[in-house]
Amino acid sequence: AQKVTQAQTEISVVEKEDVTLDCVYETRDTTYYLFWYKQPPSGELVFLIRRNSFDEQNEISGRYSWNFQKSTSSFNFTITASQVVDSAVYFCALGAQKLVFGQGTRLTINP
Amino acid sequence: DTEVTQTPKHLVMGMTNKKSLKCEQHMGHRAMYWYKQKAKKPPELMFVYSYEKLSINESVPSRFSPECPNSSLLNLHLHALQPEDSALYLCASSQASDRRIRYEQYFGPGTRLTVT
Repeated sequence: AQKVTQAQTEISVVEKEDVTLDCVYETRDTTYYLFWYKQPPSGELVFLIRRNSFDEQNEISGRYSWNFQKSTSSFNFTITASQVVDSAVYFCALGAQKLVFGQGTRLTINP
Repeated sequence: DTEVTQTPKHLVMGMTNKKSLKCEQHMGHRAMYWYKQKAKKPPELMFVYSYEKLSINESVPSRFSPECPNSSLLNLHLHALQPEDSALYLCASSQASDRRIRYEQYFGPGTRLTVT
């Protein structure tokens, strides 16, 4: 069975702080894909990143970075120098046609 | 252009009404999806179309009827819904996945449905 756990239900930080969102997954597949999505209050899920199981290289995109560690089955997401516009619910997901979502982490960035 | 459009944005319907939700994408994607999302929950997959054919139905009640008229359009026909069906309905599209490669899905803004 496939499962994604986002243990942090809600996180609240002050603007400019760094924040890390945790994601732990379970799968028996040797080849798999992981995703992060952002859902702002408007409701639309915004695709952030896709990573396959053979690529453990960390990725940085502006203030966003992702740390993928197969040894601990984790795919954590860090926002550096957070901004109010980063406030949203963030979902980690596993799979493909059938995406298995975590429960989401609600991130609030306070001015 | 990574855009999926959905209409209407909001819909209020009675339990005896028939209505339809519409979704459109022009990214050349051959897989399209319907999700249902309740408040403070992750999206739940309802249906998947691949190359205009229904490939996955997650045991959705028959009062929800999907339709894929062509590769760019996806409809969800609603009939005799219940108040508990009130939710955000999200459409998504992606390149068609195969056994080797899984592609990201691009989501529309959703239709917020209220059943009275």
